[in-house]
Amino acid sequence: RKEVEQDPGPFNVPEGATVAFNCTYSNSASQSFFWYRQDCRKEPKLLMSVYSSGNEDGRFTAQLNRASQYISLLIRDSKLSDSATYLCVVNSGYSTLTFGKGTMLLVSP
Amino acid sequence: DAGVIQSPRHEVTEMGQEVTLRCKPISGHNSLFWYRQTMMRGLELLIYFNNNVPIDDSGMPEDRFSAKMPNASFSTLKIQPSEPRDSAVYFCASIGTGPGGYEYGYTFGSGTRLTVV
Repeated sequence: RKEVEQDPGPFNVPEGATVAFNCTYSNSASQSFFWYRQDCRKEPKLLMSVYSSGNEDGRFTAQLNRASQYISLLIRDSKLSDSATYLCVVNSGYSTLTFGKGTMLLVSP
Repeated sequence: DAGVIQSPRHEVTEMGQEVTLRCKPISGHNSLFWYRQTMMRGLELLIYFNNNVPIDDSGMPEDRFSAKMPNASFSTLKIQPSEPRDSAVYFCASIGTGPGGYEYGYTFGSGTRLTVV
């Protein structure tokens, strides 16, 4: 089983739609969880951390289910500028992060 | 702050040649990471340093790869000899781990796009 698994997509949605991405991780001892965003031919950038209680940042909501080893990201009112690849990221020890391969989102007019 | 600086941005080289990638972490960050990204395998951790000391190099593919961090402001990743399967984007990232843990965040450089022909 891969350490971090994501549906590669692409997810094609119209502007204004709500879209959700899911991710599973294999290491039950993982402590920290993140979503990163990567634009085409750019470096990954931190979108948001994921906390056990769930957290929201504007149109973005992240959830963590430790029992199921499952992380989610919900984007409401999608914008064209949300088109990117979203990487699920898990802390796998010390400062090292393990990245999923990413889910591609394409928002169309 | 200029962020994490990598050079060169693009590198095209012939198989068998030596390639050196360079990274300058954010000042004050004490951990540095080298990642490789390909379509097939995604982002893979190659090696990381803490306070200039290599901590885990288990991700380095083989002996052709080596990395150094001679001081807190500079690191290199060297491939010798290079092979076509080394073609990828190589990212450097740094993080500051103060008393609060990841208080400075994990910042990536712009990457080096390596093509070995």
